[in-house]
Amino acid sequence: QVQLVQSGAEVKKPGASVKVSCKASGYTFTSYGISWVRQAPGQGLEWMGWISAYNGNTNYAQKLQGRVTMTTDTSTSTAYMELRSLRSDDTAVYYCARCSSMFGDGYMDVWGKGTTVTVSS
Amino acid sequence: DIQMTQSPSSLSASVGDRVTITCQASQDISNYLNWYQQKPGKAPKLLIYDASNLETGVPSRFSGSGSGTDFTFTISSLQPEDIATYYCQQYDNLLWTFGQGTKVEIK
Repeated sequence: QVQLVQSGAEVKKPGASVKVSCKASGYTFTSYGISWVRQAPGQGLEWMGWISAYNGNTNYAQKLQGRVTMTTDTSTSTAYMELRSLRSDDTAVYYCARCSSMFGDGYMDVWGKGTTVTVSS
Repeated sequence: DIQMTQSPSSLSASVGDRVTITCQASQDISNYLNWYQQKPGKAPKLLIYDASNLETGVPSRFSGSGSGTDFTFTISSLQPEDIATYYCQQYDNLLWTFGQGTKVEIK
């Protein structure tokens, strides 16, 4: 079945970096994109950005530009999201989701279960 | 960035009631609008894509309509399992944004 399996919870200090992985299975990885969405405790959903697994093109939310990098490894059907210079307000559950299109449009139809990232000194 | 204004932020309704949520875009987004359901502690789930298309396997009591800047999401007959937070999301110009969410509770 189609699924996205995310890496485990992380605890980081302010100023550090975190890299979350998202391993896809059950579909042709390079025919879709992967979006990353985060949710701070008790808050709504925030779209972070998107990467095409077809050609590696990316779009990032403006507020995260310069701090976030999304990559893919097509040999292992895995997507990665790295966030640098972590602050306490980056504490959130981070989700990866399959995008219906490889070109940056569409909808998110398959979701990972989420990775909790806690930023604390 | 395109802003999505979703209302109400919360609502309470009885089982069997018709529930309506609206989402307004800050500019014309055609039909590039999706709706998701999120239950506590769970990942979001796609319900409606491209404003009015029901995702496979989603009950027909859920529906969506609208285009341009004004969109509506409807549950025709609220069921206990529909307790959740609902989000709209736009994907115009390759920069996506979510609405603030609507928490639906049973009265």
